[in-house]
Amino acid sequence: SQTIHQWPATLVQPVGSPLSLECTVEGTSNPNLYWYRQAAGRGLQLLFYSVGIGQISSEVPQNLSASRPQDRQFILSSKKLLLSDSGFYLCAWSRLASGNEQFFGPGTRLTVL
Amino acid sequence: EDQVTQSPEALRLQEGESSSLNCSYTVSGLRGLFWYRQDPGKGPEFLFTLYSAGEEKEKERLKATLTKKESFLHITAPKPEDSATYLCAVQSLSTSYGKLTFGQGTILTVHP
Repeated sequence: SQTIHQWPATLVQPVGSPLSLECTVEGTSNPNLYWYRQAAGRGLQLLFYSVGIGQISSEVPQNLSASRPQDRQFILSSKKLLLSDSGFYLCAWSRLASGNEQFFGPGTRLTVL
Repeated sequence: EDQVTQSPEALRLQEGESSSLNCSYTVSGLRGLFWYRQDPGKGPEFLFTLYSAGEEKEKERLKATLTKKESFLHITAPKPEDSATYLCAVQSLSTSYGKLTFGQGTILTVHP
């Protein structure tokens, strides 16, 4: 069966500090990978998606970047965090073909002070 | 642009009191409609995928239905453990990478 991991689970960072969140998927190969942010209003906003190693597309211009160094590894980064970067970050995967459901990880709660 | 609106924003039920959650959508060709359940502080858990009008899916006390403009999540004789936020999302035929557009969710509370 497939499993998706995210770490850390919670993170408190000062404004201006760097960020690195990691997501790994087990039990599948060549998945589509996604980063979402969920603000207090509960809606999920797609940030980045990747259809393969080194292939990253951004949905929303922002202070964040993403990388996919390995097939089942997805990293969300920032060089300098802003207060507005606080939120619940979720990684998800789906099978390569469209029309398939996405499966979410446990999430990372980020608080920027 | 794809849009998803869920109603009500919050729903309180007594244990055993059946009800329905609504998901209205606007999409340029529906590839799929997805329902998720999310517990506080956790990632969304996949429930159902519906692809065409008239389709129905069931899982325990939950039943999802789909029309050309909306989807309903029917909860029959709910229990306190059904309390969660229920999210609806759509995927358009025009997307090549599986982008989901989510609604804001319905917070369901079931009292014993």
